[in-house]
Amino acid sequence: DIQMTQSPASLSASLGETVTIECLASEDIYSNLAWYQQKPGKSPQLLIYDASSLQDGVPSRFSGSESGTQYSLEINSLQSEDAVTYFCQQHHDYPPTFGGGTKLELK
Amino acid sequence: EVQLVESGGGLVQPGRSLKLSCAASGFTFSDYNMAWVRQVSKKGLEWVATIIYDGTTTYYRDSVKGRFTISRDNAKSTLYLQMDSLRSEDTATYYCATLWELYFDYWGQGVMVTVSS
Repeated sequence: DIQMTQSPASLSASLGETVTIECLASEDIYSNLAWYQQKPGKSPQLLIYDASSLQDGVPSRFSGSESGTQYSLEINSLQSEDAVTYFCQQHHDYPPTFGGGTKLELK
Repeated sequence: EVQLVESGGGLVQPGRSLKLSCAASGFTFSDYNMAWVRQVSKKGLEWVATIIYDGTTTYYRDSVKGRFTISRDNAKSTLYLQMDSLRSEDTATYYCATLWELYFDYWGQGVMVTVSS
């Protein structure tokens, strides 16, 4: 199985800041990487797929990038509603596997 | 609007069975591959099973192979997960989701399954 190592596990940032969350794949996943946002008590929601393609309706302050097997989610101009949990997931091969999650909090 | 509504969860003893359902609306169900994903206590997410659009092919994670069965009724726009020989480690919130390529673009609200004596 492809292992996804997500970091950091938790992160504290101020309103208006830019934050970056990373995921390292254990092998080449050819840009097949998705990011999800999960609000408390809710199901995960797709933010980004194919490493950098924004799902319909997702604000443009969210963006994804890659460098080799390292993938990043960047959130610009942090808003209060962004202080929730994020997961990455490789969608290259079975079984699809997730990172451990990053809980983003406001300072 | 895409809606996925799970039902059938609850408390069950180890070794017993439970069947989850997911009622879909707002899209052409028979065109979509579907999946079940589970989450332990708002922590890690784990893919469980996939069924392709016409029900002819299924995939399972190793830990549930031989115990869980994913199925669908396209006439009723409903997805199912039959869970047999349940174990304590199957305790989780189970989500049904639409599957595009291998990512999950729409999710239900989830249903809790607790396996305990």
